[in-house]
Amino acid sequence: DTEVTQTPKHLVMGMTNKKSLKCEQHMGHRAMYWYKQKAKKPPELMFVYSYEKLSINESVPSRFSPECPNSSLLNLHLHALQPEDSALYLCASSQVGTGTYEQYFGPGTRLTVT
Amino acid sequence: GQNIDQPTEMTATEGAIVQINCTYQTSGFNGLFWYQQHAGEAPTFLSYNVLDGLEEKGRFSSFLSRSKGYSYLLLKELQMKDSASYLCAVNYNQGGKLIFGQGTELSVKP
Repeated sequence: DTEVTQTPKHLVMGMTNKKSLKCEQHMGHRAMYWYKQKAKKPPELMFVYSYEKLSINESVPSRFSPECPNSSLLNLHLHALQPEDSALYLCASSQVGTGTYEQYFGPGTRLTVT
Repeated sequence: GQNIDQPTEMTATEGAIVQINCTYQTSGFNGLFWYQQHAGEAPTFLSYNVLDGLEEKGRFSSFLSRSKGYSYLLLKELQMKDSASYLCAVNYNQGGKLIFGQGTELSVKP
C-alpha cells in the first residue's frame, strides 16, 4: 500500500469557522508533511513531523495548527482563516533515516475560504 | 537563497524526446527529486539522484552533475498523457525539507 489519503477532498469555510484536514498513511513512514500549493505554483512546505514530533515549522501563521496523534495520522486544524489561505493543501509522508527518501503525496484538500 | 531554476513552459510533439533542465545552488545539496503533477492532482515521484550520472527508468531518465548544480529530466517516446507540470525539488540537509522549483509545464501536441 503506497497510498496517502486525505479528507475532505474539498472544503469551503467562512473566516470564522473552525475545521480540520486529515491525512493518513499505512506505509510505516515516520515523517509526515503539510504543504500548501497555490494555482500554477510549486508546493510550499508548512510543517514536518518526524516520529510524531514537530521538527520543522516554516513560520506558518498560528491560524494553522498541526497535530500528529500517531504514526499514521496527521491533522491540520484551521481557525480564523483568510481568503488568501485558499489553496490546495497536500499531505506527504516518507521514511526517515540517514539518507534522503522520496515523499509520497496525498491527493490534497482543495480549500476555499469565503 | 536556494534558488532552483527550471523553464516555465515547454512544448513537444508526440513520439519525440524532450529534456527539462534544472539548476540549483550546490551548497548543502543532499539529493534531487523529479515529480510529475497533472492539473488538480498530487505530485507523483519520478526519480531521485544523489550521485553524478544518469538514472534510467523506462521512458524517463534523470541526470545529475553535482559540481555544476545541474540536473535534467529526459522523457522519450512522448505520449499525450505526459502533458503535465514537472517539478524539480532539492533536499538541502534539513531533515526531509524539499525546496521545489517553479515547475515546467509540458504540453505534448499530436
